[in-house]
Amino acid sequence: DGGITQSPKYLFRKEGQNVTLSCEQNLNHDAMYWYRQDPGQGLRLIYYSQIVNDFQKGDIAEGYSVSREKKESFPLTVTSAQKNPTAFYLCASSAPIPSPLHFGNGTRLTVT
Amino acid sequence: QKEVEQDPGPLSVPEGAIVSLNCTYSNSAFQYFMWYRQYSRKGPELLMYTYSSGNKEDGRFTAQVDKSSKYISLFIRDSQPSDSATYLCAPAGGSYIPTFGRGTSLIVHP
Repeated sequence: DGGITQSPKYLFRKEGQNVTLSCEQNLNHDAMYWYRQDPGQGLRLIYYSQIVNDFQKGDIAEGYSVSREKKESFPLTVTSAQKNPTAFYLCASSAPIPSPLHFGNGTRLTVT
Repeated sequence: QKEVEQDPGPLSVPEGAIVSLNCTYSNSAFQYFMWYRQYSRKGPELLMYTYSSGNKEDGRFTAQVDKSSKYISLFIRDSQPSDSATYLCAPAGGSYIPTFGRGTSLIVHP
């Protein structure tokens, strides 16, 4: 059963700690993406990767980092430099741009 | 001007109504047009995918694209309470990855 798995579903951290969100896909897609969703603001692109070992900043990359060492995996690290990290984070994958994106079910991160 | 504009709603309709959801965009390079449905606390799921201008029908859903006016619509016939969700439009094209509107919240009440 192909799809995108994000884990965990809920994540709680103290301010000042880095945290890594997991995203794995078995759709054999080359491209992967990370979005942030806040109430009333839609989806904002954080980072995307079109191929292994390469990635580009999106609109709101500050305070985040990613890696793409394997085709199946695209973890996102929310660093302590991110000023307002509490949000719903969505990972997606696709065939080559501009193909439709397929989304995971998200990770809700709460930082206190 | 934002690249993709959607009225956030909420749009509240009675069960059985015809729903019209709309979206405007500014980038004339967009050629592919997607509609996603997102239930609360879930990831968006692809509902419709169309190329260029015209209509595409899938069951109770019809997507309509007018590239000359940069206007995209999604029609839902015989709406059901299970259609209550946020609907996101996402045009794309060329080297551009899909750009998402902020979504329109739809409530279908029995």
